[in-house]
Amino acid sequence: EIVLTQSPGTLSLSPGERATLSCRASQSVSSIYLAWYQQKPGQAPRLLIYGASSRATGIPDRFSGGGSATDFTLTISGLEPEDFAVYYCQQFGVSPFTFGQGTKLEIK
Amino acid sequence: EVQLVESGGGLVKPGGSLRLSCAVSGFIFSDYSMNWVRQAPGKGLEWVSHISSGSDYIYYADSVKGRFTISRDNAKNSLYLQMNSLRAEDTAVYFCARERHNRGFDYWGQGTLVTVAS
Repeated sequence: EIVLTQSPGTLSLSPGERATLSCRASQSVSSIYLAWYQQKPGQAPRLLIYGASSRATGIPDRFSGGGSATDFTLTISGLEPEDFAVYYCQQFGVSPFTFGQGTKLEIK
Repeated sequence: EVQLVESGGGLVKPGGSLRLSCAVSGFIFSDYSMNWVRQAPGKGLEWVSHISSGSDYIYYADSVKGRFTISRDNAKNSLYLQMNSLRAEDTAVYFCARERHNRGFDYWGQGTLVTVAS
């Protein structure tokens, strides 16, 4: 099983700042099968990034993804109030598909 | 408009069974793989099961293998999850999610709560 470890667990920032979230895999993941999701309380997750770096439909360009193999990053440039949520990385190339444990982005 | 609507959740005793359904609309269901993902109260996301568009490929998380069965009826635009031998640790909100080829899980339902307790 590919274990995804996200860091930090919680990130406290102010609106306007830049957020950098990390996702480290226990073994190499094809970038094609690496995605990022945003989840707000009481809501279903929303796909933000697929293919490690491609934005999903309707996702603002302040969200960007990067990385390869075992190290991936989600960057949010210029945080907006609606960006404070929990973020998950996921690999869906090898069964069992796995999610990271999540990074909570909170308002400082 | 793409819609996924789960149903069938509820309170069940340990050892009991439950069948979840996910009714979809707004897209050609038979063209897409589908998944179930769950989230225990206050916890993160856990992938549960995958089924390919034609039911050729089916995968399960180790935590549910042998107890849960995923299936689909393309004629009825519906996805199912038969859950047997339920345990307290299966308590969670269960989401169905559409898997777009190489593009992640792009649409999700609102979830249905399953509570396993005596």
